[in-house]
Amino acid sequence: EVQLVESGGGLVQPGGSLRLSCAASGFTFRSYWMTWVRQAPGKGLEWVANIKQDGTDKYYGDSVKGRFTVSRDNAKNSLFLQMNSLRDEDTAVYYCTRVSSVAATPQYYFDFWGQGTLVTVSS
Amino acid sequence: EIVLTQSPATLSLSPGERATLSCRASQSVSSYLGWYQQKPGQAPRLLIYDASNRATGIPARFSGSGSGTDFTLTISSLEPEDFAIYYCQQRSNWITFGQGTRLEIK
Repeated sequence: EVQLVESGGGLVQPGGSLRLSCAASGFTFRSYWMTWVRQAPGKGLEWVANIKQDGTDKYYGDSVKGRFTVSRDNAKNSLFLQMNSLRDEDTAVYYCTRVSSVAATPQYYFDFWGQGTLVTVSS
Repeated sequence: EIVLTQSPATLSLSPGERATLSCRASQSVSSYLGWYQQKPGQAPRLLIYDASNRATGIPARFSGSGSGTDFTLTISSLEPEDFAIYYCQQRSNWITFGQGTRLEIK
C-alpha cells in the first residue's frame, strides 16, 4: 500500500523558515517524480514544486521560486521542502504527492497524496 | 499561465441524478487534463487523467470528456459519497488547477 506521511508543519513568523518532510512507503520511491501541492484554508489547490527521480531536475511555481527548495533522499525514501522567507500567503496545508507515471515517463498527474501538514505563517 | 475556469461554482443535486461539471482552459491543453475529488478534511483523489481515462479503482459512473479548451466531468448517477469538491488540473503547460466546483446535496 502506497503511503505518504508529511511532517514538519507548524506556526512560524513572517520571514522565518520551516522544513517539511515526507516519508514514502509501499512503492519504489526512487522511480517516481514527486511533487508538493498546497491548499490555503478554504481555497483551491496550488502546485508548489516538482523533483525528478534522481533529484537533478527541480521546478517551482512562480509564487515560491527563489524562496523554497525541494530535495529528496532516495536512500531514506524521503522528500523535503525547505521554505525560507515565509509570508502570510504561504499559510496552507502542504501535500506530498506522487507524480503518475506510464512506462517510466511522468504524466504530471498526482495519483497518491499524503494527508498534508499545516503551515501557519503569522506574527 | 493557463487559467482553468470551472463552472458552476456550486451544483445542487439529489442522489441518483446526473451531474455535469465543466472546466474551460484559457488556451488549448490538448487532452492533458485531469479531475480530482476532495472530501472535507481529506486529500484530493485522482479520478480522471488525460481527459477521459479513469484512474485505478474509480467507479464507472465517473466519466470525462473534451479536448482543447472545453472539458466535462460527468457522474452518471450520484451516490451519497460523491458529494464533494471537484477540481480540474492541466499539465500541458506547467501545472495549474481550477478553482473547484462544490457538489452539494439538494
